[in-house]
This record gives sequence, C-alpha cells and structure tokens, in this order.
Amino acid sequence: DAGVTQSPTHLIKTRGQQVTLRCSPKSGHDTVSWYQQALGQGPQFIFQYYEEEERQRGNFPDRFSGHQFPNYSSELNVNALLLGDSALYLCASSLPGASLYGYTFGSGTRLTVV
Amino acid sequence: TQLLEQSPQFLSIQEGENLTVYCNSSSVFSSLQWYRQEPGEGPVLLVTVVTGGEVKKLKRLTFQFGDARKDSSLHITAAQPGDTGLYLCAGAVRGGADGLTFGKGTHLIIQP
Repeated sequence: DAGVTQSPTHLIKTRGQQVTLRCSPKSGHDTVSWYQQALGQGPQFIFQYYEEEERQRGNFPDRFSGHQFPNYSSELNVNALLLGDSALYLCASSLPGASLYGYTFGSGTRLTVV
Repeated sequence: TQLLEQSPQFLSIQEGENLTVYCNSSSVFSSLQWYRQEPGEGPVLLVTVVTGGEVKKLKRLTFQFGDARKDSSLHITAAQPGDTGLYLCAGAVRGGADGLTFGKGTHLIIQP
C-alpha cells in the first residue's frame, strides 16, 4: 500500500518564477494538507483540501494556491517566488478525524529559490 | 494563534540514558500528536493523545498529555542510537480542521 507520494523530490527555481508541486495521497485518504518546513523549524500549515475545496488556510499569502482533483491528488502552486520560499514542502493526507488518527506525510519536495 | 514551545531544542546523550522532551502551550488542543522525522524524510506519526491526563506507552517511549490539554511530554527510557532524530509535537484544534500547529522540534542524538 503506497503512502503519500510527492513530486518532484528536489527543485531549483529562480526568484520571480512560478512552481507547481504535486502530491498523491495514501490510498483511502480523501483530505490533503500542505506544510512548509524551513530549515531547522517545524512544519507550518499552508492549507487543507477536502472534496476539491480549500477548507482551511494558514497564514500564507495569496501567492500560495492549490487544487485538489477528483482522485484526491493535489497540487501546490507558488507564484512570484521569493528567496524566503526556499524550504521543504510536505504533503500530508488523512481521513476525517485526523486529529485522532494522525496524518501520513510524504517525504517532501525540497525547493531552492536562487 | 496557537504556539507550541518544545524543549530542549537540542539534546545529545549516551546510549542507555533516559530523557524527557517537553511541549508546552498556553492554548488548549483537542489532541496532540508526536512525530519523528529523519533527514530528508517527512514526519512519521508516533502517537496521538486526546484525553487530558492520558498516558500512552510505545515500547520504551512514554507520552503524556497534560490534564488541561495544554502540554505534553515524551519520555524515552534507555535511549538507543536508533532513537536519533527530530521529535516534533503537533497540536490540533477543531478536530484538525485548521491543520496542525507544530513545535520547532527537539533534535535528539544518541551516541553509542
């Protein structure tokens, strides 16, 4: 049973460019959340998607947007990249009731903005 | 804004020693989760605690949720080199609909 799959694993972009990261949730999971983890920090919640809609959003600017597809997979888009966007981007999938059963995280996409 | 403070930030001890990691907040959480993360990987769930005062054991790891559901601790008995990693606590409010609030983590190194 595959866990959460993220692609690409590493990415280098230039400041001002746009990037799209992809996530396939664990089989049977219908909710996808995205987190940003800066070096030496804990993950920070970006947003969560359920039934193809953004359900909740953390304290991130509108440059960060997302999408969920009917097969529950998801994309994270970041526009007008800044150097400070360099981080590990983690996708986590879950079922309703994730606060009880926990989240399954992917290995992340390491984004470097130069 | 909910904040979770973890302490210590770094801990290096010898194999066989015991240790405790703390996770504190001024906010009440509906549940608290502990994750372990290794370099280049995503966090892996260790345990979820839900009830105030709850204690859960996972082999040599003991997790406790504070009575007021504002704090938690992780105690490791007889640490082993395989316990090395980044330990993260994460709190959920509103059943997790707002996502998880993570602490900054405790970097644990167990030296043989």
